[in-house]
Amino acid sequence: AQSVTQLDSQVPVFEEAPVELRCNYSSSVSVYLFWYVQYPNQGLQLLLKYLSGSTLVESINGFEAEFNKSQTSFHLRKPSVHISDTAEYFCAVIASGGSYIPTFGRGTSLIVHP
Amino acid sequence: EPEVTQTPSHQVTQMGQEVILRCVPISNHLYFYWYRQILGQKVEFLVSFYNNEISEKSEIFDDQFSVERPDGSNFTLKIRSTKLEDSAMYFCASQGQERGEQYFGPGTRLTVT
Repeated sequence: AQSVTQLDSQVPVFEEAPVELRCNYSSSVSVYLFWYVQYPNQGLQLLLKYLSGSTLVESINGFEAEFNKSQTSFHLRKPSVHISDTAEYFCAVIASGGSYIPTFGRGTSLIVHP
Repeated sequence: EPEVTQTPSHQVTQMGQEVILRCVPISNHLYFYWYRQILGQKVEFLVSFYNNEISEKSEIFDDQFSVERPDGSNFTLKIRSTKLEDSAMYFCASQGQERGEQYFGPGTRLTVT
C-alpha cells in the first residue's frame, strides 16, 4: 500500500514571496503523483501531475513540482505567490498497475498575506 | 468546460435518518467515485463504480452505504441510517479514459445532529 505525508499543515507566506509545499510518499511500486488545490467552498481541482517523462511538471498558474525518486518526494513550488493562491493543497499518489484509486495527504493550507 | 455537479451543497439531518447525496458526473466519463473529508482531516476514498457495479470500496463503506447510477446521468450515495460520525464533506469524482485524472465536484457538506 502507498502513503503520502504532507509535513506542513499550514504555510503562511507574504505575497510575492516564494513558497514550497512538501510532499513525501512511500510505495513499493512505481507511482503517479498529483497535486490538487481546493479553494474555499469548492471541490478539488487538479493542479498538476507526474505520470512519466520529465520529472519537472508545471501548471498554468506558475506552480511547479519535481518528482525526486531517490528522495520519494514531489514538492510543490511557486517563485512568487499571489493572494489568490490562498487555498488547501493536497498531494496524492496512485500506484501504477493498480486500481487507480488515489491516496491523499492530509493537505497543506497555504495562507498568503498582503 | 464540463464539470461535475453535486446536490445539495449542504444537508442537515438527524441521526438515524436516511440521506441521498446526488452527483452528475461528466457525461462521457466511465469511472465514478465517492470520497469523504471529515473536517480537518484528509480526503478518504469510499467507493469506485464502473460498468454499473462497485469496482472497489474501502472499509469505511459498510452496509450503511450504497451507490447507484439510476438513470445513466446521476450517481448517488445513500447512507441508510446516519450517525454523528458521518458528518463530513462528501465529494463525487468522475474519470474518463485517462486513468488517474479525476474531476471532482464541489462537494456536499453533510451535518448529522
